[in-house]
Amino acid sequence: QQQVKQSPQSLIVQKGGISIINCAYENTAFDYFPWYQQFPGKGPALLIAIRPDVSEKKEGRFTISFNKSAKQFSLHIMDSQPGDSATYFCAASPNYGGATNKLIFGTGTLLAVQP
Amino acid sequence: DTAVSQTPKYLVTQMGNDKSIKCEQNLGHDTMYWYKQDSKKFLKIMFSYNNKELIINETVPNRFSPKSPDKAHLNLHINSLELGDSAVYFCASSYREQQYFGPGTRLTVT
Repeated sequence: QQQVKQSPQSLIVQKGGISIINCAYENTAFDYFPWYQQFPGKGPALLIAIRPDVSEKKEGRFTISFNKSAKQFSLHIMDSQPGDSATYFCAASPNYGGATNKLIFGTGTLLAVQP
Repeated sequence: DTAVSQTPKYLVTQMGNDKSIKCEQNLGHDTMYWYKQDSKKFLKIMFSYNNKELIINETVPNRFSPKSPDKAHLNLHINSLELGDSAVYFCASSYREQQYFGPGTRLTVT
């Protein structure tokens, strides 16, 4: 049972274009939604994250859009660059209130930005 | 000044052997994790420790045993290795909800 569904599986974008990756979740107990970026041979790195009390969060060229009623969230990469080519993972975790935080990951999107 | 480090980076071993992976974090975090990333790049949590106490123990075969000697270290010992254990294993640590991952250990069982 995949609790966080991610699409597309792969994405090719021209330099300067907008990359959009979508995720959907089912568990309404989720209240923290991060995106991770992973380069080959490296560990995932936290890119940007959002909580459901806001509908959008922007950091530089990266924006998360969040739709609580639809239980969907997406990552937008503006002015995509070849250096953005990596695998992107969305994730979700339930209400943070304890000593630890269980992240449920999407299946990943391999982004290739062509020069 | 590496934040989360793992050793070794690569581990090649035969079926039936026992091996360990070590993880250390210098971020001062209280919580550490082990994740497994399979050949399709799917990431799944295995264990979580908070201040040396086991908090999350997913449905992982009991051949896998984590050990936390102190809150800066979390090791993973695997007994009787099987072909299906081949994967990349990531250690992570967290401050509140933000998790920081190590570089990974690629385990290949032949």
